[in-house]
Amino acid sequence: GESVGLHLPTLSVQEGDNSIINCAYSNSASDYFIWYKQESGKGPQFIIDIRSNMDKRQGQRVTVLLNKTVKHLSLQIAATQPGDSAVYFCAENTDTGFQKLVFGTGTRLLVSP
Amino acid sequence: KAGVTQTPRYLIKTRGQQVTLSCSPISGHRSVSWYQQTPGQGLQFLFEYFSETQRNKGNFPGRFSGRQFSNSRSEMNVSTLELGDSALYLCASSTQTGNTEAFFGQGTRLTVV
Repeated sequence: GESVGLHLPTLSVQEGDNSIINCAYSNSASDYFIWYKQESGKGPQFIIDIRSNMDKRQGQRVTVLLNKTVKHLSLQIAATQPGDSAVYFCAENTDTGFQKLVFGTGTRLLVSP
Repeated sequence: KAGVTQTPRYLIKTRGQQVTLSCSPISGHRSVSWYQQTPGQGLQFLFEYFSETQRNKGNFPGRFSGRQFSNSRSEMNVSTLELGDSALYLCASSTQTGNTEAFFGQGTRLTVV
């Protein structure tokens, strides 16, 4: 997959560990956020979303936390597996009346067996 | 239910030519957005179409255009191709515009030589 290559932060974990991927978003008026996973050669895959009226949302093995005060999102992956290895992007919808996602630079997650 | 389908998957064009890319959204989805992904700039919003109307446009030159048909399928066109247009072009579909889940296709890899 594509990403901001040279400056892409990388998180390396062992299989079974919990992973936390962080993201700072840009627009304090944004009220909808999505996390995507992108594997090499594929398009971004929807993981989980959260609206600004929530602080936390849980999915299967994933939790998203939203801190509007400091404009920060995090994605927690429980019991990380080698199949979780990918680039993860956060995205904010900056214009409520439209579908216009602004993406972060991405974080590469490497999971070792 | 079939996902978002983009065709072709790969394309090689010469500078100065034009190109048309196609996107078939998930059945029932009425919003289609287009994004450009490059290693240097990451994922950037091009435009969104909803009910055959362009709702929003990103910061790209007029050489980039698109349209949406009554069946919600969308095409984007790039005229007078430049080397810098080489990228992965992604489309995303949503049930409606605004703050809703957006699902991406696999993308079209365009190489301009």
